[in-house]
Amino acid sequence: SYVLTQPPSVSVAPGKTASITCGGNNIGSKNVHWYQQRPGQAPVVIIFYGSDRPSGIPERVSGSNSGNTATLTISSVEAGDEADYFCQVWDFDNDQPVFGGGTTLTVL
Amino acid sequence: QLQLHESGPGLVKPSETLSLTCTVSGDTVSSDDYYWGWIRQTPGKGLEWIGNIYSTGTTFYSPSLRGRATMFLDKSKNQFSLRLTSVTAADACLYFCARMSLAASWFDPWGRGTLVAVSS
Repeated sequence: SYVLTQPPSVSVAPGKTASITCGGNNIGSKNVHWYQQRPGQAPVVIIFYGSDRPSGIPERVSGSNSGNTATLTISSVEAGDEADYFCQVWDFDNDQPVFGGGTTLTVL
Repeated sequence: QLQLHESGPGLVKPSETLSLTCTVSGDTVSSDDYYWGWIRQTPGKGLEWIGNIYSTGTTFYSPSLRGRATMFLDKSKNQFSLRLTSVTAADACLYFCARMSLAASWFDPWGRGTLVAVSS
C-alpha cells in the first residue's frame, strides 16, 4: 500500500516558520490533506487539496505539494500551534485513505 | 452544527468482539453526499483507517484488518456502528468516527474518540 513519511518531530521558536514535510512516491500527483490534532482533541482538517484552507484557518497556514514531497508551512508560529500534524491522501490503487505517521510540532 | 459522538464499552476481553457506536447530530446518516468512517489511533503509530459505510449500507474496509471489521447503519437512531472480532492487545487504542464527503477524500468532522482497552 501507499506509504506517507513524516518526521516525528519539528521544533521552532515563536514567531518563526515551521515546515512539516510529508513524503510519498509521486505525491505531487495526489490530493494531500493536513490535520492538526491538539492534545486530547480530535484531528481537524487545516489544509485540503494540498493548499486550500477551510474557513477559520488563518492565512499563515499554507500547503504545497510537488514531486515526492508535500509541505505544511506555518508562519509566525504561536504557542497555540503546538500539536500533532498528520498528512493524508487517497490511495486509489487500494481504494483507501492513507495517513502519515504524524509530526509533533514543539514551540520552543 | 454537525457533531459525532463515539460510545463503547471501554474494556474488552481478548478474543471477544468490540462494538462501538457513533451517534450523529446535525446531519443524517441517510445522506447521499457522505461516507461515515471509523479511524483508530495508537500511540506512536499514528492514524489507521478502519472502514467507511455509505447510506445504502455499502461498506469499505481496510485490508489490514483481515475481515475482522463489520460496519452497519441504524437510520432510525441516526447512528453507525463498528464491530471488530477476535480482538487482541494490538486493538487497544483510541477509536474515532468521522464523516467523509463523496466529493472529497478527507474526514471532517471527527468525534472526540473513545478509548478501548483489551484485557482479561
